[in-house]
Amino acid sequence: NAGVTQTPKFRVLKTGQSMTLLCAQDMNHEYMYWYRQDPGMGLRLIHYSVGEGTTAKGEVPDGYNVSRLKKQNFLLGLESAAPSQTSVYFCASRGTNPQPQHFGDGTRLSIL
Amino acid sequence: GENVEQHPSTLSVQEGDSAVIKCTYSDSASNYFPWYKQELGKGPQLIIDIRSNVGEKKDQRIAVTLNKTAKHFSLHITETQPEDSAVYFCAAQDYQLIWGAGTKLIIKP
Repeated sequence: NAGVTQTPKFRVLKTGQSMTLLCAQDMNHEYMYWYRQDPGMGLRLIHYSVGEGTTAKGEVPDGYNVSRLKKQNFLLGLESAAPSQTSVYFCASRGTNPQPQHFGDGTRLSIL
Repeated sequence: GENVEQHPSTLSVQEGDSAVIKCTYSDSASNYFPWYKQELGKGPQLIIDIRSNVGEKKDQRIAVTLNKTAKHFSLHITETQPEDSAVYFCAAQDYQLIWGAGTKLIIKP
């Protein structure tokens, strides 16, 4: 029973490089979310999806893109990484309203 | 839009004592209020939640109370133990989940 799995767990990038973070859930959840968490702070929503093939902007979407081609996967892309995007990224999923969000263990991303 | 304020930002209590964390929300349409615990290096984990048609909910040493009129809800942890040390987040949901800023709970031996 894996729940929400995020890959990779750690990554170091140089400014300007691109990468994709993968989130996979095995709970058949409709809703999926990407958050970032900066040191000592709470969670800020980047993008989210209410179902396969849909995406929407959250609180801090600039510099990120997402795709939900399959129901179980939600990808977060950084096209041109910037030092300000150094953070811990969390993916979450949930069933239909109102249900709790289930989180992965995060991807720690450093951009030099 | 919804706004959630959480207090205190840091709470230090003696092992065995009780801890209370408080949150207020602004949108009267919010109808679901979860509490999450985040341990170092881990993602947040749900510890208890409450829906707007309920005033209080308990699960062993943890309880949550909701006052819809005043738009505030609180987390109560009794008989605190060292493993309760973590960051706790409250949240409120109407169509979107809005998070509080978190409370760092420190249990002193």
